[in-house]
Amino acid sequence: QIQLVQSGPELKKPGETVKISCKASGYTFTNYGMNWVKQAPGKGLKWMGWINTYTGEPTYADDFKGRFAFSLETSASTAYLQINNLKNEDMATYFCAREGGPSSGIFDYWGQGTTLTVSS
Amino acid sequence: DIQMTQSPASLSASVGETVTITCRASENIYSYLAWYQQKQGKSPQLLVYNAKTLAEGVPSRFSGSGSGTQFSLKINSLQPEDFGSYYCQHHYGTPYTFGGGTKLEIK
Repeated sequence: QIQLVQSGPELKKPGETVKISCKASGYTFTNYGMNWVKQAPGKGLKWMGWINTYTGEPTYADDFKGRFAFSLETSASTAYLQINNLKNEDMATYFCAREGGPSSGIFDYWGQGTTLTVSS
Repeated sequence: DIQMTQSPASLSASVGETVTITCRASENIYSYLAWYQQKQGKSPQLLVYNAKTLAEGVPSRFSGSGSGTQFSLKINSLQPEDFGSYYCQHHYGTPYTFGGGTKLEIK
């Protein structure tokens, strides 16, 4: 069965770096794009961008350009989200979500979420 | 960017009732509209895409409708497992945006 399994909760200080992983199984990793979605505490969902798992090319939403980086380890069917120079407002749960078809924008499978706490 | 506006923000209903959640897009998105359900502490789950196509395994008491800028999600005969938050999302090209969410609570 298709699964996206994310890395565990993170506690970081402002200014530090975090790297969150999303390991896919049950399908051919490079056939489906991987998206990242942010959910701040008690808030709604915000699309951060996606990475083409075939070419490795990332696309970032405007609010996530600069400190955010998507990457892949294709041999391990794993996508990564790295956030540099952490700020208090980065505190949130981050989800990876598979895109159900080429540029479909339909997120048919989601990871369980990784909670990031940023506190000095 | 396309803005998605959901209403109501919260809704209280009883088991067995029928409820409707609406979503408005700031511009024409044709039928490129998805709905997700999220339960507390869990990841969202796809319910509907292309405005009215049910995702695999979604019960038939859920139905989506609409096109252009006005959309709705209807849940017939509410079940205990239907309570949670619901989000619409356009999938008419990037950047994808979500509505603010509707929290469906037990009356």
